[in-house]
Amino acid sequence: KQEVTQIPAALSVPEGENLVLNCSFTDSAIYNLQWFRQDPGKGLTSLLLIQSSQREQTSGRLNASLDKSSGRSTLYIAASQPGDSATYLCAARGGSNYKLTFGKGTLLTVNP
Amino acid sequence: ETGVTQTPRHLVMGMTNKKSLKCEQHLGHNAMYWYKQSAKKPLELMFVYSLEERVENNSVPSRFSPECPNSSHLFLHLHTLQPEDSALYLCASSLNSGGQNTGELFFGEGSRLTVL
Repeated sequence: KQEVTQIPAALSVPEGENLVLNCSFTDSAIYNLQWFRQDPGKGLTSLLLIQSSQREQTSGRLNASLDKSSGRSTLYIAASQPGDSATYLCAARGGSNYKLTFGKGTLLTVNP
Repeated sequence: ETGVTQTPRHLVMGMTNKKSLKCEQHLGHNAMYWYKQSAKKPLELMFVYSLEERVENNSVPSRFSPECPNSSHLFLHLHTLQPEDSALYLCASSLNSGGQNTGELFFGEGSRLTVL
């Protein structure tokens, strides 16, 4: 059974700092991995999708990497801004039914 | 309208009520999902519909009844719920190929349900 863990559970940084959010998964036989952002009381916004054959994906100030062999993915946020404050979730898709398994998320606060 | 739209955004109901949550996607996707998000827990997959057929039912109590009349609409019918069913219910859709559940997931804003 796939398990996804996100560390840290919460992170507070000053504006302008570069930061890394971590995601680990127990079953390396994944099809893809997706990073989401969730604002309080809102739905999830897709940030990046990395296919199992890819090593990384970039969108603006965001860069996500994937290392299947070690069961890890990271989300790098450059030059953080207060508007980046949200909960960030990763989800790994795999298994016989390509089920998407979510982590509990990292709550990011960027202080002005 | 674009994206995934959920209504109502907020719902308060008693344990004996019957209500429905509605989801509509305007992305041309062929799969739709219901997820439950409770405090301090990871998202829980409830149901998956692919090409309007239910392909996954994750041991969800029968007081939750899904309906997918076409590839753009998904409903979650609720009856005789319990207070522990209070949560954020999220709808999502994806474009899957080859009959496999592999596409990028796009979510709606969610329906916040409170059961008294």
